[in-house]
Amino acid sequence: ETGVTQTPRHLVMGMTNKKSLKCEQHLGHNAMYWYKQSAKKPLELMFVYSLEERVENNSVPSRFSPECPNSSHLFLHLHTLQPEDSALYLCASSHFSRLQETQYFGPGTRLLVL
Amino acid sequence: SQQGEEDPQALSIQEGENATMNCSYKTSINNLQWYRQNSGRGLVHLILIRSNEREKHSGRLRVTLDTSKKSSSLLITASRAADTASYFCATVASGGTSYGKLTFGQGTILTVHP
Repeated sequence: ETGVTQTPRHLVMGMTNKKSLKCEQHLGHNAMYWYKQSAKKPLELMFVYSLEERVENNSVPSRFSPECPNSSHLFLHLHTLQPEDSALYLCASSHFSRLQETQYFGPGTRLLVL
Repeated sequence: SQQGEEDPQALSIQEGENATMNCSYKTSINNLQWYRQNSGRGLVHLILIRSNEREKHSGRLRVTLDTSKKSSSLLITASRAADTASYFCATVASGGTSYGKLTFGQGTILTVHP
């Protein structure tokens, strides 16, 4: 257990569905991240929130919409996804004051888009 | 190409042997980190080495950093079957962003046979 939880762990959705991924950290961190991990590709940073403000949007399509209501919670809202969006979505957190330090990852949500 | 490219892509060894994985990167870094990922799970931080450090140890792990060659190596001594996982290096670029933007390589898949 890293102190970062993600729900659901597995998700199957159609291209017309709307779903949300949830991440919660219990480490007192105030920077949170979304990553996408596809087969045979390096982890891709999608979004970064620092002190609940989005500081990075790494050219992610608008069908992915992040939300950070407070420093402990991070959501990724999904709508009209494509099959190529099927991947493992990982959430991570770190200390704001030590932003270039270790990130703590959740177990991920395995997403399959049909 | 990606910052942080691991070599080899896959490594298969017997229990008790040492495993060495290499990572090369392209830009100046603040630090380099190694993470481990068990199949389909989240990443676990192993060790962080700063740009002004040359070697670091943690238990059976030894990491070296050569900034002149822009390369790092991870050595796992006396490997165990439980060390079977994917290992990733990730870099934090020097200067630039004020938050912890990790750039990952594609990883090395290590298999340790009992």
